[in-house]
Amino acid sequence: ETGVTQSPTHLIKTRGQQVTLRCSSQSGHNTVSWYQQALGQGPQFIFQYYREEENGRGNFPPRFSGLQFPNYSSELNVNALELDDSALYLCASSLDRGQETQYFGPGTRLLVL
Amino acid sequence: DQQVKQNSPSLSVQEGRISILNCDYTNSMFDYFLWYKKYPAEGPTFLISISSIKDKNEDGRFTAFLNKSAKHLSLHIVPSQPGDSAVYFCAASAIRTGANNLFFGTGTRLTVIP
Repeated sequence: ETGVTQSPTHLIKTRGQQVTLRCSSQSGHNTVSWYQQALGQGPQFIFQYYREEENGRGNFPPRFSGLQFPNYSSELNVNALELDDSALYLCASSLDRGQETQYFGPGTRLLVL
Repeated sequence: DQQVKQNSPSLSVQEGRISILNCDYTNSMFDYFLWYKKYPAEGPTFLISISSIKDKNEDGRFTAFLNKSAKHLSLHIVPSQPGDSAVYFCAASAIRTGANNLFFGTGTRLTVIP
């Protein structure tokens, strides 16, 4: 059984640019959540996708957007990058949106200069 | 507003002894609680969970405790091993609302000394 995978592992961008991060959910999982983890903090919920529809959103501006594809893989897009967007971006999948346990990928570390 | 808090940023324990990690929450809608372990350059790894209908859940060396009236949970690791050295996060969700998004604490770095 393949776990959650994310790409790329590291990324460097400059302020104002746009970035796309990718996530493949664990086999059989239809729900994907994205989290941002700033240095020294716990992960913060960005949004969740369930069967290709957004199923909840945290306190992040609209320049954070996402997609989920028919195979349940997902993308996180961030427009107009700011310095404070530098963080570890984590993707987690669960069997269903009502399933209690989420399983995390290794994350993408984004640095905005 | 931090709804889940881990007030101890670090903890050092001798190998073989008990490690106790603590977590407090404020939102009474939370009904499911999880502990994750995180090594550097890796994503959080699920360790153990506990539902609000229980006050204890045991899995090998790991036991999760929940005190609903105090809005407090803890993770006991017995006996502690050097491989347990990592950052531990507690997380909470309100499954009954139909959403399973997690609210995390800021983590406690556990160091197990050989």
